[in-house]
Amino acid sequence: DVLMTQTPVSLPVSLGGQVSISCRSSQSLVHSDGNTYLHWYLQKPGQSPQLLIYRVSNRFSGVPDRFSGSGSGTDFTLKISRVEPEDLGVYYCLQSTHFPWTFGGGTKLELK
Amino acid sequence: QVQLKESGPGLVQPSQTLSLTCTVSGFSLTSYDVHWVRQPPGKGLEWMGGIWGDGSTAYNSALKSRLSISRDTSKSQVFLKMNSLQTEDTAIYFCTRGGSYWGQGTLVTVSS
Repeated sequence: DVLMTQTPVSLPVSLGGQVSISCRSSQSLVHSDGNTYLHWYLQKPGQSPQLLIYRVSNRFSGVPDRFSGSGSGTDFTLKISRVEPEDLGVYYCLQSTHFPWTFGGGTKLELK
Repeated sequence: QVQLKESGPGLVQPSQTLSLTCTVSGFSLTSYDVHWVRQPPGKGLEWMGGIWGDGSTAYNSALKSRLSISRDTSKSQVFLKMNSLQTEDTAIYFCTRGGSYWGQGTLVTVSS
């Protein structure tokens, strides 16, 4: 199985600040079709995960441009600028290039 | 609009079989894949398996011997059946359309 390693586990932030979350995979996430199926989610307490970024860098419908994704191969980053209160929660990366799909362990974004 | 809703028993006895239903609306099961993801209380996300528009399925190898995913396209429902439940199967079970749209989840507790 592809191991997804997210860092940091906990990320204190001030409102209005900027943060980055790293997600590294144990093998390349480039699919044989040429696409890279690495996605980012935010899960707020008591809610289901919500898709933020799909295929590395594409913002899902309604996601503000404060969220951006980048990376390639095995190394990926989610950046959040001008952090707002509704951005707090646990962020997960997911790879769906290889079976079984696997999630990162999560990064908890919380106020300093 | 796209909606998914999980339903099933909140409590299952150890060694018994779990049966869950995901009822969808706003799209056709013959055109999109639907997956099951679970989350033990306070822990991360685990992909369980999915069923594609052509009816093909894929499972997490860790669960494959106990898990079955099927569907009834006429009723817009996807089913999960997992046998030999143990306490460690206690979790919130989500269904999701391809990882983009998610149901609210249903808590399943395995206990005698």
